[in-house]
Amino acid sequence: QSALTQPASVSGSPGQSITISCTGSSSDIGGYDYVSWYQQHPGKAPKLIIYDVKNRPSGVSNRFSGSKSGNTASLTISGLQAEDEADYYCNAWKRSSTTLYVFGTGTKVTVL
Amino acid sequence: EIQLLESGGTLVQPGGSLRLSCAASGFTFAGFSSYAMNWVRQAPGKGLEWVSGISGSGDNTYYADSVKGRFTISRDNSNNMLYLRMNSLRVEDTAVYSCAKDLISTWGMDVWGQGTTVTVSS
Repeated sequence: QSALTQPASVSGSPGQSITISCTGSSSDIGGYDYVSWYQQHPGKAPKLIIYDVKNRPSGVSNRFSGSKSGNTASLTISGLQAEDEADYYCNAWKRSSTTLYVFGTGTKVTVL
Repeated sequence: EIQLLESGGTLVQPGGSLRLSCAASGFTFAGFSSYAMNWVRQAPGKGLEWVSGISGSGDNTYYADSVKGRFTISRDNSNNMLYLRMNSLRVEDTAVYSCAKDLISTWGMDVWGQGTTVTVSS
C-alpha cells in the first residue's frame, strides 16, 4: 500500500504558525475520520499528538490542531517553539480485510 | 503508566528467521487484552512504516503488503506479551521495530516502546 503524501520539510520562525498537509485517498483519509498525527524527536519514540482528525490526548499542547478536507488532512502548529522542531507523521486507518494503517512520508519541521 | 519493552532484535542473514517480543506492563482498569496492538518499523534514516496489527483477543490479524506471508503477529494475553515472528528476512527488513498500543475506543497508537534493532545482512 502507498504511503500518504506529506511535504518533506516545513519551517517557520518562533511564534509563527505552520501547517503540514497529508494527502491520501478515499479509502483512507477521505473514507474515515481516523487520522492521527505523531511527533518524533531524534532517537526518541513517536508521540501521539492528534487522533480522530482533531482530538488531542491529555497533556498535549493546544498549540497543535488537526483538520481534514476530502482526502487531505492537516496539522497546524501555532505559536511555534524551539521544542517543536521534530519529524511529524500522519497516519490513517485504512481498513481492508488484511490491512489496518498507513503512515505518511513524514515532515521535518525546522524552527528558524 | 503503561510501558512497552521490545526485545529479540539482532543481526540475521538474508533468508533467516527471528522472533521479536514486546512485554507490556502497567495496565490498571482495562487489561492488556482490551487493546489492539501493532508493530511499526523505521529503517535507518527513513520514515515510520506500519507492519502488523492484532485485535485484543488475538482473533484478527493484519499485515502490510510488504511483509504479508512472511511475518506473523501473535499475543499471549495471560502474560501481557506481543510477538512478531519474522521469516524469509530480506535486507530491506532492516529497521528498528517498535510495538505500539492502540487507543481503547478508536484508532491511533498512544503508547510506544523504544524499539529493538533488526539488521539483515550477510
